[in-house]
Amino acid sequence: KNEVEQSPQNLTAQEGEFITINCSYSVGISALHWLQQHPGGGIVSLFMLSSGKKKHGRLIATINIQEKHSSLHITASHPRDSAVYICAVRKWMNTGNQFYFGTGTSLTVIP
Amino acid sequence: DTGVSQDPRHKITKRGQNVTFRCDPISEHNRLYWYRQTLGQGPEFLTYFQNEAQLEKSRLLSDRFSAERPKGSFSTLEIQRTEQGDSAMYLCASVRYANTGELFFGEGSRLTVL
Repeated sequence: KNEVEQSPQNLTAQEGEFITINCSYSVGISALHWLQQHPGGGIVSLFMLSSGKKKHGRLIATINIQEKHSSLHITASHPRDSAVYICAVRKWMNTGNQFYFGTGTSLTVIP
Repeated sequence: DTGVSQDPRHKITKRGQNVTFRCDPISEHNRLYWYRQTLGQGPEFLTYFQNEAQLEKSRLLSDRFSAERPKGSFSTLEIQRTEQGDSAMYLCASVRYANTGELFFGEGSRLTVL
């Protein structure tokens, strides 16, 4: 079983729709990251959370440490939001920080 | 551009050949990670350096894989006697020590083994 589970795996939305991607994890963490990966492109960090909520433009990320759950919301979605969104958790190990990744949610926003 | 560069971006090789990938992290970042990503999957941890010291290796990293970071700056990942199952995107990421923990990824090196 993967330490990080994301849902849904695939998501298609109409332009303008409100989108939610969920992430659940099973290990104790020091932080959770939301990452974006465009087709053929590298991975870009969107948010790093250890508690509460963060907002950047049309993107909002929340985390509930007790429930070991995080959500990424996209308001007023746009075709340029089409990408794979990956949830990753950071766990402190004796050798330093280690990161565990979800398998990603592939988002397609249709004009 | 995240500041982490990888080379080459694409490599096509025949089974049995050796390949080497290079990663140049952000200069002040002490920690460097190598990951492997296959289609539809998230990145899988391969190995991790703190400066020049290789602190952890995944069980995924067979004897055919070796990684170095000789001066604590750039890193190389070598795959010897490549197999078709090695075909994947190889990602490098760096993070500052005692850090905010934000990962910066390179664009990746895509390996195709024929």
